[in-house]
Amino acid sequence: AQSVTQLDSQVPVFEEAPVELRCNYSSSVSVYLFWYVQYPNQGLQLLLKYLSGSTLVKGINGFEAEFNKSQTSFHLRKPSVHISDTAEYFCAVSPSGGYNKLIFGAGTRLAVHP
Amino acid sequence: DTGVSQDPRHKITKRGQNVTFRCDPISEHNRLYWYRQTLGQGPEFLTYFQNEAQLEKSRLLSDRFSAERPKGSFSTLEIQRTEQGDSAMYLCASSPSPGQGPYEQYFGPGTRLTVT
Repeated sequence: AQSVTQLDSQVPVFEEAPVELRCNYSSSVSVYLFWYVQYPNQGLQLLLKYLSGSTLVKGINGFEAEFNKSQTSFHLRKPSVHISDTAEYFCAVSPSGGYNKLIFGAGTRLAVHP
Repeated sequence: DTGVSQDPRHKITKRGQNVTFRCDPISEHNRLYWYRQTLGQGPEFLTYFQNEAQLEKSRLLSDRFSAERPKGSFSTLEIQRTEQGDSAMYLCASSPSPGQGPYEQYFGPGTRLTVT
């Protein structure tokens, strides 16, 4: 079985500052890793994903994440945030190869202040 | 393609009533997933289909819940005898199946259910 831990439930940050949202996972098999963003009363939008290959993954809106197998982590980073980045961010895992269900973390609320 | 759509977007019902939600996936996707999201939590998997076959059901999916995808296109999720604990956002997603394309689940806007 897989599980995901998002270490911070809320992250406040000032506009134009860098941010890191932390994600650790547990799995006995190889996994795919994802970050999704959710704006109020909306569905989830994919920011980026790691399926294989380079461990540094770049996504939309200037976000990137690095897969660290030894530390079982997939932290999300952005060098300079905007007010519009205020949202809920979810890390998710799925066993690799099968295109199966996603297992989500509890989410991190990113609040960007002017 | 307009993406994954869900209907209705909001549903208010009284305890004990039955409700049905519909999901229309991206047309070329063979896989369709249902999740439930309660306030302040991440989505939890309920069930998924490969075409019309239901491949996995979560233990969260009690006997009061049933999902169908009769022709391998749209899907319905029915909740019978609703309880207040069923109040949540119900999310649908679709993806290619293995060999059909790179893995990524595309989510719909969700149906918010409120049981009074």
